[in-house]
Amino acid sequence: DSGVTQTPKHLITATGQRVTLRCSPRSGDLSVYWYQQSLDQGLQFLIQYYNGEERAKGNILERFSAQQFPDLHSELNLSSLELGDSALYFCASSVYGVNSYEQYFGPGTRLTVT
Amino acid sequence: DAKTTQPNSMESNEEEPVHLPCNHSTISGTDYIHWYRQLPSQGPEYVIHGLTSNVNNRMASLAIAEDRKSSTLILHRATLRDAAVYYCILGGNNAGNMLTFGGGTRLMVKP
Repeated sequence: DSGVTQTPKHLITATGQRVTLRCSPRSGDLSVYWYQQSLDQGLQFLIQYYNGEERAKGNILERFSAQQFPDLHSELNLSSLELGDSALYFCASSVYGVNSYEQYFGPGTRLTVT
Repeated sequence: DAKTTQPNSMESNEEEPVHLPCNHSTISGTDYIHWYRQLPSQGPEYVIHGLTSNVNNRMASLAIAEDRKSSTLILHRATLRDAAVYYCILGGNNAGNMLTFGGGTRLMVKP
């Protein structure tokens, strides 16, 4: 158990819909990262937040957005869903600084768009 | 970004040592070498990281070549539970510190 929790575990929705994925980081970790894992693209970094502020952006689509709240939990919002958005979405957390590459991943949310 | 090259797959026998290679010929002086693994149906798991010197922890050892253009993750006694995809990732201590995953090496462990 990494200490990172993600809800829901599975999500099935239709094209065009909007969903919200939730992540609670390990106690004490200020950085939260979102990654997407699909069969054709592998594991890809989407976005990072540190203590409520956006720190880095990867190949995140404009239809996707995220935020980190004062209690440090984070939400990833996916809108106008397409079939190609079906994937595993992982959240990871870390301390900040030299050891921030030591990231702890949650169990993921499996999103299926039909 | 500096890239890494890993074999697509490797096979090992249970209770034998496993050496997983990674080539990173374009590594920069500030890039750390990180190893993660992903067990089936789980999120990636941090294994070990290093900069220049060899590193040991309870999970594995990391051997880094003197010129830093390659490294080897060593599992001293493979168990069935070690069957996973192993990712070698480079990263410096810059803002964000996101992980850039490649294809990794799928390790199969035979009983």
